Amino acid sequence: QVQLVQSGAEVKKPGASVKVSCKASGYTFTAYFIHWVRQAPGQGLEWMGWINPTSGDKYYAERFQGRVTMTRDASISTAYLEVTTDDSAVYYCAVALIIDYAFDIWGRGTLVTVSS
Amino acid sequence: QSALTQPASVSGSPGQSITISCTGTNSDIGSFDLVSWYQQHPGKAPKVLIYEGIKRPSGISTRFSGSKSGNTASLTISGLQAEDAANYYCCSYAGRTTWVFGGGTQLTVL
Repeated sequence: QVQLVQSGAEVKKPGASVKVSCKASGYTFTAYFIHWVRQAPGQGLEWMGWINPTSGDKYYAERFQGRVTMTRDASISTAYLEVTTDDSAVYYCAVALIIDYAFDIWGRGTLVTVSS
Repeated sequence: QSALTQPASVSGSPGQSITISCTGTNSDIGSFDLVSWYQQHPGKAPKVLIYEGIKRPSGISTRFSGSKSGNTASLTISGLQAEDAANYYCCSYAGRTTWVFGGGTQLTVL
């Protein structure tokens, strides 16, 4: 079935870098943009940007520019999000697969805990 | 890009109807009929309930409905059930391949 499987929880020190993965299965990875969404503890969802798995083109929301890097490895149907951690958050990958302009497939989220 | 504005919380009794509003601007909700709504239970990933403002994906209950007027979109849940207690988020396409979410609304079923 269609799914996005994300990497496991991480604990990082403030200012450290973390790389979260999102492996797609059940559909053609290169046919749909991968989006990333951030959720701080007890807070709302924030759209971070997207990566085109075919070309590698990406777009970062203004708030995240300079703080995140999105990459992909199409040979293993996996997208990556690298962030510099200042505070804890859950990072979700998501795809607008069947529905245009809405995210109908989500990963389960990766919790990144920042602790000194 | 500022977040869309939602009420922080709403509540209703089982069987009642509630409506959650989502206010944006002429640059997002007002310009596109591309508002989606998501339900999120604690510790779970969001789930899409409504897309293109008014459409329901396959498998979503008809108790969930969406509408839009000007720069404001709304989600109505009729026949409230205990399992509807969750956080709800609106999201709008904002042009030039960008999206923006609302701040979220916590629904309490009394």
